[in-house]
Amino acid sequence: DTGVSQDPRHKITKRGQNVTFRCDPISEHNRLYWYRQTLGQGPEFLTYFQNEAQLEKSRLLSDRFSAERPKGSFSTLEIQRTEQGDSAMYLCASSLGTSGGSLHFGNGTRLTVT
Amino acid sequence: GIQVEQSPPDLILQEGANSTLRCNFSDSVNNLQWFHQNPWGQLINLFYIPSGTKQNGRLSATTVATERYSLLYISSSQTTDSGVYFCAVERLGTQKLVFGQGTRLTINP
Repeated sequence: DTGVSQDPRHKITKRGQNVTFRCDPISEHNRLYWYRQTLGQGPEFLTYFQNEAQLEKSRLLSDRFSAERPKGSFSTLEIQRTEQGDSAMYLCASSLGTSGGSLHFGNGTRLTVT
Repeated sequence: GIQVEQSPPDLILQEGANSTLRCNFSDSVNNLQWFHQNPWGQLINLFYIPSGTKQNGRLSATTVATERYSLLYISSSQTTDSGVYFCAVERLGTQKLVFGQGTRLTINP
């Protein structure tokens, strides 16, 4: 069990650029989640996969955001045409089972849009 | 959507003190978890506790699902307990955990 891995740890980009983040969940976990956290707030749900199927998306996930989980393994989160309001910590988490189970978070990717 | 309220928002204690953190939620849930976010931002799962009571060392948690609240107890606090404690719940029929705003705990030596 190597834990949930996220890459990169930090990303600084200029407004209007596209960025992509990667998440490698714990290997046997079938559920994968993306959350966003801003300073002083709790994590906000963005989207959720069970295996390769994206089962739920938050209204926070505008059409500039897209997430994939090909083959039910790693996942990517892409933000197109970044805006300053996208600056946040993007957290990935995974869990095992069809009825939840303990959620394990990665260290996150901190995005700064200048 | 489901509402999750945590109290108190901030708590400052001396090392060795005990504390109780509360989480109220507005709907029936099938999943409740407590997390600790350390000063470096890492979120650590403390308990998966949709109902009942669990203990892990100096920490214990109780969820009374019928009354829609959960409590996290920290005994004999240490400075390493400092950070933000989050409660997160999953409403029946959904598969996403919704987080509260957290309780910021500061343990002074």
